[in-house]
Parts: sequence; C-alpha cells; structure tokens
Amino acid sequence: EPEVTQTPSHQVTQMGQEVILRCVPISNHLYFYWYRQILGQKVEFLVSFYNNEISEKSEIFDDQFSVERPDGSNFTLKIRSTKLEDSAMYFCASSDEGQPQHFGDGTRLSIL
Amino acid sequence: KNEVEQSPQNLTAQEGEFITINCSYSVGISALHWLQQHPGGGIVSLFMLSSGKKKHGRLIATINIQEKHSSLHITASHPRDSAVYICAVNSGAQKLVFGQGTRLTINP
Repeated sequence: EPEVTQTPSHQVTQMGQEVILRCVPISNHLYFYWYRQILGQKVEFLVSFYNNEISEKSEIFDDQFSVERPDGSNFTLKIRSTKLEDSAMYFCASSDEGQPQHFGDGTRLSIL
Repeated sequence: KNEVEQSPQNLTAQEGEFITINCSYSVGISALHWLQQHPGGGIVSLFMLSSGKKKHGRLIATINIQEKHSSLHITASHPRDSAVYICAVNSGAQKLVFGQGTRLTINP
C-alpha cells in the first residue's frame, strides 16, 4: 500500500537555525498538509496545500514558516529561525478529494 | 472551549472487554474521523464517516449528526489495541481539527 514518507525521523537543531522537514506524499494525492504535536498535547493543524498554493493556514503558521512543493514528489516545511517552542512532532499528510488523510510517521524536531 | 472533546482521557481494561470511546463536537462538520496513534507516534486513519455506522473487523464507529456525537467501539479487546485513539473533524475545510485523544491500555 502506498505510504507517506517523512525525513528525517529526528532532527536536532540549535535555536535560531533554519530547518527543513521533508515529506513525500502519496503520488496521486492532490491535498497536502502539515500538522504538529507538542509533547503531551493534541495534534494541531499548520497548513494545507492544493494546486501548488496554500489553501488554508493556522495562526501558528506565521512568517517563520513556509511550505514548498519543489518538484512533483516532495513537499517541504521550512522553519526559518527556530525557537524552543517549535520543538514538536511534525506530521505530513496527504489525501485525495473527500478521502481520509494518510499520515507519515512524523519528524521529531528538538530545538536546543 | 475545545471544538472536539473526547472521553474518557484514559481507559484501562482487561483483555476481552468491550470498549467505548466517545467524541462530541461543537461545530458543523462534513466528516468525522477516528485515528489511532501508536506508541512510536505514527497516526493511522481508522474510519471516516459522515452518517450512520461503519465496521471494520472488531472496530465499530457510529455518528449521530443531530446530537453532534460519535462513538468508537472495540469488541473483544486485545493488548495490541493499546494506543491513543483520536477523534478529528472536517468542519467544511480539508483541514482536520483534533480532539485531545483517549489513551487506551488493554491488560492481558
């Protein structure tokens, strides 16, 4: 069965550094998402992406965040200048129209 | 107030017991999802429903649109069912709004 794959599984970064989290969605899916889960808290929506542009974003997704689909397969989340509070598990997901979302295994981001 | 509330937050049961996890939501929705989060963190979609009832193996999900309530049932529970079960909704958009999850532990 096709899967959403995320790399790396764990990223450790110094505060203030830029980080790029990578995702390969399922190939024929049209909608792409990033979510995050701070340790011990619920999963929160960050951004959705459709037709090569952001379709919706949350208040969390401020100017420090950006998403890109640089080629036909990758979907990336960039955090420009990381803060301690960006430490979380970041999940990528993809879906087809009106269908359940498929999640990757997540990237655990630790900001020191 | 959270848009999606789950109960209980934690549930411990013995192998074989019938399990019920509840979800209430306060917004209009186009669909409700039940998801399973494994101890390692990965999230798997179990059900997506907008009305009625769905069954997959030992899992059953029901939804009552008028009461804005859904339940997830597990029959003949097994230790491998131990996980966090999450209710999430689409409120007209593609994004999901998540509940806080129910941590289920099934003891042998």
